[in-house]
Amino acid sequence: AQSVTQLGSHVSVSEGALVLLRCNYSSSVPPYLFWYVQYPNQGLQLLLKYTSAATLVKGINGFEAEFKKSETSFHLTKPSAHMSDAAEYFCAVTGRSGGSNYKLTFGKGTLLTVNP
Amino acid sequence: DAGITQSPRHKVTETGTPVTLRCHQTENHRYMYWYRQDPGHGLRLIHYSYGVKDTDKGEVSDGYSVSRSKTEDFLLTLESATSSQTSVYFCAISESGAGQGHEQYFGPGTRLTVT
Repeated sequence: AQSVTQLGSHVSVSEGALVLLRCNYSSSVPPYLFWYVQYPNQGLQLLLKYTSAATLVKGINGFEAEFKKSETSFHLTKPSAHMSDAAEYFCAVTGRSGGSNYKLTFGKGTLLTVNP
Repeated sequence: DAGITQSPRHKVTETGTPVTLRCHQTENHRYMYWYRQDPGHGLRLIHYSYGVKDTDKGEVSDGYSVSRSKTEDFLLTLESATSSQTSVYFCAISESGAGQGHEQYFGPGTRLTVT
C-alpha cells in the first residue's frame, strides 16, 4: 500500500523567498512520485515526476524536488517565489508494477500563498 | 494540453435524481480515471478503466457506477444523487497504469451540487 503526507495545509511566503513544500511517502515497493499544481478553477497539471533516473528532479516553472529514500521524502522547492506560483500543490505516489493494481494516491494538498 | 473535455462543467441537481458526467479524450490513451476533490481530502479515486468495457473500483466507489463503451468516452453515473456527493469531479487519462510511472493528465473538472 502507498500513502503520502503533505506537511502543512497552507504555506505563505513573500515574493522572492524560497518555496519549500514538504511531502513524505510510504510505499511497500519502490515508488514513483509526482508533484501536481492546481490553479483556481482548473484541473491538475504535472510539475515533475520521479522515476529513479535521478534523485534531483527538475520540473516546470523553476520547481525541483529531491528524492531521499532514507528520509522517505520528496520535498518540492523553488529558489524564488513569484506571485504566479500561488496555487494548490499535490504530492502523489504509486508503487511500481506492470499490472493495473497500483493506483495513484494523492496527498491532501498544500495551498501556497505568495505575498507581495 | 492533453485533449480532455468534461461535460457538463457545472450542474445543480436534486437529491434522488440520477446524474451522468461525461469525460471525452482525443489522445487514445488506454487508462481513464474518475476522481472527486473535496476540501481537506485531496483527490480520491472513484473508478477507473483500463480498456473498453474494463473497469474497476477505486477507494470511494459506493453510490457511483461507470461505463466505457468507446476508447474516448468514460461516463460516471450517480444513480440517486445524495448531498454527500456534492463535489468537484475530475477525469484523468494516462497511457498505462499508475504502476508504470506514466503521468496522468487531468480534465478541467465538473462542479456538482446536490440540493
